[in-house]
Amino acid sequence: AQKVTQAQTEISVVEKEDVTLDCVYETRDTTYYLFWYKQPPSGELVFLIRRNSFDEQNEISGRYSWNFQKSTSSFNFTITASQVVDSAVYFCALSSVGFKTIFGAGTRLFVKA
Amino acid sequence: DTGVSQNPRHKITKRGQNVTFRCDPISEHNRLYWYRQTLGQGPEFLTYFQNEAQLEKSRLLSDRFSAERPKGSFSTLEIQRTEQGDSAMYLCASSFGTSGITGELFFGEGSRLTVL
Repeated sequence: AQKVTQAQTEISVVEKEDVTLDCVYETRDTTYYLFWYKQPPSGELVFLIRRNSFDEQNEISGRYSWNFQKSTSSFNFTITASQVVDSAVYFCALSSVGFKTIFGAGTRLFVKA
Repeated sequence: DTGVSQNPRHKITKRGQNVTFRCDPISEHNRLYWYRQTLGQGPEFLTYFQNEAQLEKSRLLSDRFSAERPKGSFSTLEIQRTEQGDSAMYLCASSFGTSGITGELFFGEGSRLTVL
């Protein structure tokens, strides 16, 4: 069975703080993909990053960084120097050989000015 | 704009009525997905197509739900005899994928269903 767990339901930070969103996944497959999506208040889900199971390199894109650790089945997302515009719901997702993508329950991030 | 398009954006219906949603994916994408999202939850997988073939349907989906993707282009999701529990946002997404490769999903703005 496949599963994505985002244990943090809501996080509230003050602008310029760093924040890490946790994601733990379960799959029996050796080949899979992990994703992060952002859902701003406007509602439309927006893709942020894709990582395949054979690439454990961490990635940085501007203020965003991702830490993929197969040993702990985690794919965590860090926002450095958070901004009010980062306020949104963030979803971690997993896609395995069956091709369907399943999502976690999401973490709602509030960034206060 | 050549993103994923869904309509209608909002549908209000009475319990027991049938509703149909349409999704127009990004033209070069071969995969199309339907998800359902309720307040405070992540998108819940309903079904997906690769070209015109429906490859998987969620076991949680009752027989009242049916989806089609004729000619591998647009898709429709029909809900028959709607129930209040069907009230949700219905999301369509498309992607490009091949054997062993799964691309990221591009989502539409969703179709919100309210069943009275």
